[in-house]
Amino acid sequence: EVQLLESGGGLVQPGGSLRLSCAASGFTFSSYAMSWVRQAPGKGLEWVSAISGSGGSTYYADSVKGRFTISRDNSKNTLYLQMNSLRAEDTAVYYCAKDSSSSSWPPDAFDIWGQGTMVTVSS
Amino acid sequence: QLVLTQSPSASASLGASVKLTCTLSSGHSSYAIAWHQQQPEKGPRYLMKLNSDGSHSKGDGIPDRFSGSSSGAERYLTISSLQSEDEADYYCQTWGTGIRVVFGGGTKLTVL
Repeated sequence: EVQLLESGGGLVQPGGSLRLSCAASGFTFSSYAMSWVRQAPGKGLEWVSAISGSGGSTYYADSVKGRFTISRDNSKNTLYLQMNSLRAEDTAVYYCAKDSSSSSWPPDAFDIWGQGTMVTVSS
Repeated sequence: QLVLTQSPSASASLGASVKLTCTLSSGHSSYAIAWHQQQPEKGPRYLMKLNSDGSHSKGDGIPDRFSGSSSGAERYLTISSLQSEDEADYYCQTWGTGIRVVFGGGTKLTVL
């Protein structure tokens, strides 16, 4: 079964840092681009960042560029999101998502989603 | 700049059909989209990828009650024989070089 399991969320003060992880299973992880998508409380989905299957290419939303870094370890089938200089407006559930097409870049439709991990930025 | 526009809300009766719309902004009518369903307190679930010619490929386990179609810049999701579990938020998504990934604002579907 194809699965994505996020972890690492929690409460952090403004200006702080947090690293999210997404453990993947059930598919050839290195063949697929992956993304992070967030959802603020009561709001819609917002794409955050994407990374190619090899890890050699990355994209960021303007709202996080320069503060967040996406990476992956294909030997561990794990996706990461390093979040620095966190702001109150970064408070959201963070989902990782798998591309539907193998070996594609830029990102494509997302066909598998994780269950999400909550990040709260507050003093 | 590519924008996806969805009506904030829709409603239909149990057992009836409903057609949700996602509109691509001007100049982007050839883009494919994906439809995702988000039931209350759950993560999103992929429904289908929908091309500009109306062809679509559904995710694993998605019932035949869910179908997609296209007309110009509009992309549709039709749900027939509505069931209570279809009450959810529905999001469209598109992608491409330069635009990265874009989501519509979502449509909240109420099953009466």
